[in-house]
Amino acid sequence: EIVLTQSPGTLSLSPGERATLSCRASQSVSSSYLAWYQQKPGQAPRLLIYAASSRATGIPDRFSGSGSGTDFILSISRLEPEDSAVYYCQQYGSSPLTFGGGTKVEIK
Amino acid sequence: QVQLQESGPGLVKPSGTLSLSCAVSGVSISSDNWWSWVRQPPGKGLEYIGEIYHSGSINYNPSLKSRVIISVDKSKNQFSLKVSSVTAADTAVYYCARVSQTSRHFDYWGQGTLVTVSS
Repeated sequence: EIVLTQSPGTLSLSPGERATLSCRASQSVSSSYLAWYQQKPGQAPRLLIYAASSRATGIPDRFSGSGSGTDFILSISRLEPEDSAVYYCQQYGSSPLTFGGGTKVEIK
Repeated sequence: QVQLQESGPGLVKPSGTLSLSCAVSGVSISSDNWWSWVRQPPGKGLEYIGEIYHSGSINYNPSLKSRVIISVDKSKNQFSLKVSSVTAADTAVYYCARVSQTSRHFDYWGQGTLVTVSS
């Protein structure tokens, strides 16, 4: 199975700063099958990005995804307090579907 | 508007069977999508359990395959999960979700239901 490793484990930044979250795959993943989710405490995950770089409906353009092969990035420009959450990457280019371990973003 | 709602017992005894259902509204479960279960132990990350297509085709996570059954009931527009021989390690929030056909991501999620395995 493809193992997704997310880094850093925790990111602590101030409002207005830019966050860069990494998702590295143990094998190449088709860009068509890489997604990012945001999860706040007590809530279900929320789809942010699919196909590596396509924003889901209603997601602000502050969120952007990039990457290919084994290295993918989620960027959050101009951080806002409500961006405090855990972010997960997910792949289904290869069975079984797998998730990364998550990156916690804290807003100072 | 697509909505998913999990239901089932919140407490299961060790060695017993965990049974959950996911009611789908706003779209037919016979639409061109897969329907999935994902779980999250308290304080931990997300784990894919498996998925089903309305035709009955199923994919399971190999790590759970020997203990899991996913089924679909088209007449009720719902799908279900059974996990047998549960232990405390199966304590988790269980989510049902729709898998988008375009790029195999989860585009709609239920709110999740906590299942605790304890005597």
